[in-house]
Amino acid sequence: DTEVTQTPKHLVMGMTNKKSLKCEQHMGHRAMYWYKQKAKKPPELMFVYSYEKLSINESVPSRFSPECPNSSLLNLHLHALQPEDSALYLCASSSSMGLAGGSEQYFGPGTRLTVT
Amino acid sequence: GQNIDQPTEMTATEGAIVQINCTYQTSGFNGLFWYQQHAGEAPTFLSYNVLDGLEEKGRFSSFLSRSKGYSYLLLKELQMKDSASYLCAVAYSGAGSYQLTFGKGTKLSVIP
Repeated sequence: DTEVTQTPKHLVMGMTNKKSLKCEQHMGHRAMYWYKQKAKKPPELMFVYSYEKLSINESVPSRFSPECPNSSLLNLHLHALQPEDSALYLCASSSSMGLAGGSEQYFGPGTRLTVT
Repeated sequence: GQNIDQPTEMTATEGAIVQINCTYQTSGFNGLFWYQQHAGEAPTFLSYNVLDGLEEKGRFSSFLSRSKGYSYLLLKELQMKDSASYLCAVAYSGAGSYQLTFGKGTKLSVIP
């Protein structure tokens, strides 16, 4: 099973809402990532979890709050977002973080978020 | 910082060969990835190079020269389904952290 799943596929939320994006993988990967991708732009790294610990936070605003409840799950909690936060949010996982040969990332299908 | 350059768009004919170049400047280099991304879909892994040379995988090959900060992705026997964006991504590590930065992507259009 080389699948990373994400829910929901689409999300529309107002600026005062609180919502969560979910990501799951059952490949035994120990590194999980959140990326943000705007239209016609490459993915931009937001957060990295390694062995369920937050390793990298790329200066992301606090209205985005990641959580890694266990080695298979990764959440992204959203609160008081802005319209410019509308984007495709991609989750990815890899068997390890940064080691040669084992670090290719498998991406989920993404959640398309629209903030109104 | 990291600087990755690749052409914005390319067009090639079905059945032909196309080479997509990527140049980069980085410290703590830890490998270079190529990903394919169809419109509206997630990126999918194509190849990984960390040592100099050519890696071949079916119709796709990827080359790396670390001294020149240069890589290319070679696609042979092009098919219409190869129309997609091709993302060059550079991994680098340092100070206990690990990063993967994507280039802006090359949009490849395959025409009959």
